[in-house]
Amino acid sequence: DAKTTQPPSMDCAEGRAANLPCNHSTISGNEYVYWYRQIHSQGPQYIIHGLKNNETNEMASLIITEDRKSSTLILPHATLRDTAVYYCIVITVYGGSQGNLIFGKGTKLSVKP
Amino acid sequence: GAVVSQHPSWVICKSGTSVKIECRSLDFQATTMFWYRQFPKQSLMLMATSNEGSKATYEQGVEKDKFLINHASLTLSTLTVTSAHPEDSSFYICSARMGGEVYNSPLHFGNGTRLTVT
Repeated sequence: DAKTTQPPSMDCAEGRAANLPCNHSTISGNEYVYWYRQIHSQGPQYIIHGLKNNETNEMASLIITEDRKSSTLILPHATLRDTAVYYCIVITVYGGSQGNLIFGKGTKLSVKP
Repeated sequence: GAVVSQHPSWVICKSGTSVKIECRSLDFQATTMFWYRQFPKQSLMLMATSNEGSKATYEQGVEKDKFLINHASLTLSTLTVTSAHPEDSSFYICSARMGGEVYNSPLHFGNGTRLTVT
């Protein structure tokens, strides 16, 4: 599996952009990068995913470097409700995978007033 | 949008009893569902892959006779924790994919079931 590396924690001021980095230097050419978040005691929530192009939806933007070895999730205007653990996951396409997600430790984002 | 529902959201049972957790895809059919477990302050760990109409595939270290999975229809998978013990107390979460290409469509997660075994 292409492994990911994320900082264990980050702080962000309410109303400011939150930029969460992720390294995935061993990613293969056809593996997608997914971002999820988990608010305490809830199931993970899908945020966004991409292959090589930058992506944007109503929740966030995903910036993937040209060499695809890293990416950044951007929450443009963080609110207190965005406080959560954010997971960057590269979905494996090998070994008969059925597309399950392997979760790392993620980044605990704390949005402060 | 796609919704995955779990029931119950929490359950307390006595040691030695069995507990069944249901996972439903509410507005789509799911041939594959995934069951995860999460202990306090840890990340999610994949337990098994549930396939409609066939046997589940279990991850290494997960006892298939203890965690029985039944995926009898395209919208329902159940996880039964048999002869539960306190060490089985955990947060159990299921997920399913709405369809389309496996690697280019997101998994949607239920809100989890908090199991406490006394």
